[in-house]
Amino acid sequence: GAVVSQHPSRVICKSGTSVKIECRSLDFQATTMFWYRQFPKQSLMLMATSNEGSKATYEQGVEKDKFLINHASLTLSTLTVTSAHPEDSSFYICSARRGTGELFFGEGSRLTVL
Amino acid sequence: GENVEQHPSTLSVQEGDSAVIKCTYSDSASNYFPWYKQELGKGPQLIIDIRSNVGEKKDQRIAVTLNKTAKHFSLHITETQPEDSAVYFCAAHFGAGSYQLTFGKGTKLSVIP
Repeated sequence: GAVVSQHPSRVICKSGTSVKIECRSLDFQATTMFWYRQFPKQSLMLMATSNEGSKATYEQGVEKDKFLINHASLTLSTLTVTSAHPEDSSFYICSARRGTGELFFGEGSRLTVL
Repeated sequence: GENVEQHPSTLSVQEGDSAVIKCTYSDSASNYFPWYKQELGKGPQLIIDIRSNVGEKKDQRIAVTLNKTAKHFSLHITETQPEDSAVYFCAAHFGAGSYQLTFGKGTKLSVIP
């Protein structure tokens, strides 16, 4: 099946620093990728829709300046958590849309901000 | 927008028994309904999906049924095995073009050996 690779799988950083998470579609081109945040024992919360070559579309309540999204190519989208704080600690997951609608998810990135 | 309700939130079954998870959706225009399995600390994995022009789809021990009139769809797992233990999420397509999905809150399935 399709493979979406997410890196890093775990990251620990100090408060105030920025962290970049990469999402790659390995065997298909993805014009649209999505970024989610998941709290323990909860469902996925859509943060933003990343469109190749254009600005991301953010969901209501998600700070654009804190969560920077770049979709520079058809196989790569990045999420940068800027000036991270402990409350940003979470499990971040990306997904990539293949063709007519199937969504495949990355393995997730566990961010811990000290 | 779309609203997806998923039940039950937890489900325990004996190994070999069947498990059924049900979801309802609100937007009659939704036309794509995937199911995901998420193991602890990992991303969701697509296990089966169904489109609105089909009433049932089966893949080995897993099947999904869709009732468009009632706006509900269900996941059926037969002959459950311990490795089926995970959190399962249903989802419905919402939003033309961008193919956003609205997820249910998840069902934690435990298969008891």
